[in-house]
Amino acid sequence: EVQLVESGGGLLQPGGSLRLSCAASGFTVSSDYMSWVRQAPGKGLEWVSVIYSGGSTYYADSVKGRFTISRDSSKNTVYLQMNSLRAEDTAVYYCARGVGYNFLCHWGQGTLVTVSS
Amino acid sequence: DIVMTQSPDSLAVSLGERATINCKSSQSVLYSSNNNNYLAWYQQKPGQPPKLLLYRASTRESGVPDRFSGSGSGTDFTLTISSLQAEDVAVYYCQQYYSTPFTFGPGTKVDIQ
Repeated sequence: EVQLVESGGGLLQPGGSLRLSCAASGFTVSSDYMSWVRQAPGKGLEWVSVIYSGGSTYYADSVKGRFTISRDSSKNTVYLQMNSLRAEDTAVYYCARGVGYNFLCHWGQGTLVTVSS
Repeated sequence: DIVMTQSPDSLAVSLGERATINCKSSQSVLYSSNNNNYLAWYQQKPGQPPKLLLYRASTRESGVPDRFSGSGSGTDFTLTISSLQAEDVAVYYCQQYYSTPFTFGPGTKVDIQ
């Protein structure tokens, strides 16, 4: 059974850093496309980043230069390093899997990041 | 960037009636080499992560009831729920995965009338 479990969310001040983790089971993260998608409270979905099986990475303009997606195949885990956090980064962050294409067939339950002074 | 729009913002439909949601992309998401539209639909219920319903505009994900169907090509797409059930109350999003950033529509909230 495919499972994605996010962790690492929390409350922090503007300008701070945080690393989110997405532990996967039932498949190999390095074989598929892994994305992060966020949802601000009461708002819609915003695609954040993707890491392809070949290692290429892409980002939304809103996070480019501040966020970094990576993976650790030995731990079958995907990460999102978030630096220079802003209030507008406050959201539930979901990890999601794409198989061969970038539609997202499996999602984690999400982890909440709150940026506030 | 490809901008996705949806209409209506919300709709209320009687149980057993048809619900129709429209999605429009600012540029074509039809990949000419394979004639596939890179358009997906998701359902999100309160307090839950999104769930994939359809991809390639009209292909149902495994386990999705056949009352959900998708149509359209190029820039204009439609999600239809043929006979609304109580468990279909949710927000529905379209997403293009043709090019990064893989943008979502703003969502359409579906309620029971």
